[in-house]
Amino acid sequence: NAGVTQTPKFQVLKTGQSMTLQCAQDMNHNSMYWYRQDPGMGLRLIYYSASEGTTDKGEVPNGYNVSRLNKREFSLRLESAAPSQTSVYFCATRAFADTQYFGPGTRLTVL
Amino acid sequence: QQQVKQSPQSLIVQKGGISIINCAYENTAFDYFPWYQQFPGKGPALLIAIRPDVSEKKEGRFTISFNKSAKQFSLHIMDSQPGDSATYFCAASIPQGGSEKLVFGKGMKLTVNP
Repeated sequence: NAGVTQTPKFQVLKTGQSMTLQCAQDMNHNSMYWYRQDPGMGLRLIYYSASEGTTDKGEVPNGYNVSRLNKREFSLRLESAAPSQTSVYFCATRAFADTQYFGPGTRLTVL
Repeated sequence: QQQVKQSPQSLIVQKGGISIINCAYENTAFDYFPWYQQFPGKGPALLIAIRPDVSEKKEGRFTISFNKSAKQFSLHIMDSQPGDSATYFCAASIPQGGSEKLVFGKGMKLTVNP
C-alpha cells in the first residue's frame, strides 16, 4: 500500500502559469484535504472533500480550485500562480472517526 | 475562535531531558486534539491524540495532559532523544460537513542535543 501519494514532488512556476497538483490514496478513505505549509504559519486548510462529489472551502481558498475526481483522487489547481503561493502543499485523507493521514508534500516555488 | 495557540516556537533540550509543548484554544466545539510530528522533508504524522473527556493519555514516552476548563492541552516528551528532534504541531478538530476540519497550531521546532 502506498498510502497517500502526491505528484509532483517539486515544481517551479513563473508568475501567471497554471498547474495541477495531484493526490491519490489507496486507503479507501472518504475525506480528502489540501493544506499549505509556510514557515511559522503551521498548516492551513485550502479545500477539503468530505466524500466523493463534494468539496468545500477551508481557511485559505483564494487562488485555488479543486476537483474530487473519484474516491481515490483529489487535485488542486492553480489557475494563475502568484509568488504568494510559494509553499509546501500537503494532501491528507481521513476515514470516518479516524485521524488524518498526510502525503509527502509538493514543494512549489513561484518566481 | 478557530485559532489554536502553540508555545514555545522552539525548544532545545539535552538528551534525557523533558520537553513540554503547550497549546490553548477558544472554541468549545473542538472535540478531538491530536499532536503531529514532522521531520524535515516529510509530511506530518500522528503522534498521539486525546478527546476532551479524558484528562491525560500516555503512550510510551509521550503524554498529553488536557485541561478542559482552562481550554489548554500540552505534550510532554520524557527522556527526550536526538531522534525526537522534529517539528511538533498541536491541532484541534471540529466536525464539519460530514467530515472534520483540523485547526493547527504554528508548530514548535524541537532540538535534542546528544
